Amino acid sequence: TQLLEQSPQFLSIQEGENLTVYCNSSSVFSSLQWYRQEPGEGPVLLVTVVTGGEVKKLKRLTFQFGDARKDSSLHITAAQPGDTGLYLCAGVETSGSRLTFGEGTQLTVNP
Amino acid sequence: EAGVAQSPRYKIIEKRQSVAFWCNPISGHATLYWYQQILGQGPKLLIQFQNNGVVDDSQLPKDRFSAERLKGVDSTLKIQPAKLEDSAVYLCASSSDRLQPQHFGDGTRLSIL
Repeated sequence: TQLLEQSPQFLSIQEGENLTVYCNSSSVFSSLQWYRQEPGEGPVLLVTVVTGGEVKKLKRLTFQFGDARKDSSLHITAAQPGDTGLYLCAGVETSGSRLTFGEGTQLTVNP
Repeated sequence: EAGVAQSPRYKIIEKRQSVAFWCNPISGHATLYWYQQILGQGPKLLIQFQNNGVVDDSQLPKDRFSAERLKGVDSTLKIQPAKLEDSAVYLCASSSDRLQPQHFGDGTRLSIL
């Protein structure tokens, strides 16, 4: 099983600040997905990045896949309290279709 | 489109007891997944079905966990006997095929006393 490490594990910021969450591995993934999970709910897919070096934007969220397809980052601009949640990265293993999740980053945005 | 349905939402049992969870995937979705999410961790795949066949159960503790999807639609996951370390949220997900995005249910939170 390929492993993914996320950092930081916890992040508490004020409304309006910017932040970056990192997802790193020593293994290559076919693609990488980012999810957001709220308490008592299942993860919800935000984006999938497939090509090395790819950058995708979703309103104030910017996702980047590393050139070597081993790492990814999520950058949030001007965070809002509604961004609060658990952010999970998940890689699709090259050996098949199994999705391997990172440990998650718990983000709290204070008003 | 109705989402992935899971029941029960919560379950509390004592160690060594048995428990079963039920999942109804999105209509027409051929691939069904069961994940275990321990508090503070990301979900871990337990088993993947393609229609009613098992594709990947390499991370399923088969001495105590079992799962079935007899008619290729609904699925049940069973734990017998439960251990304290089985306390977790059990998530079911489905996708139209194994290469398509997965849609998650809200999970069953299991507490073992």
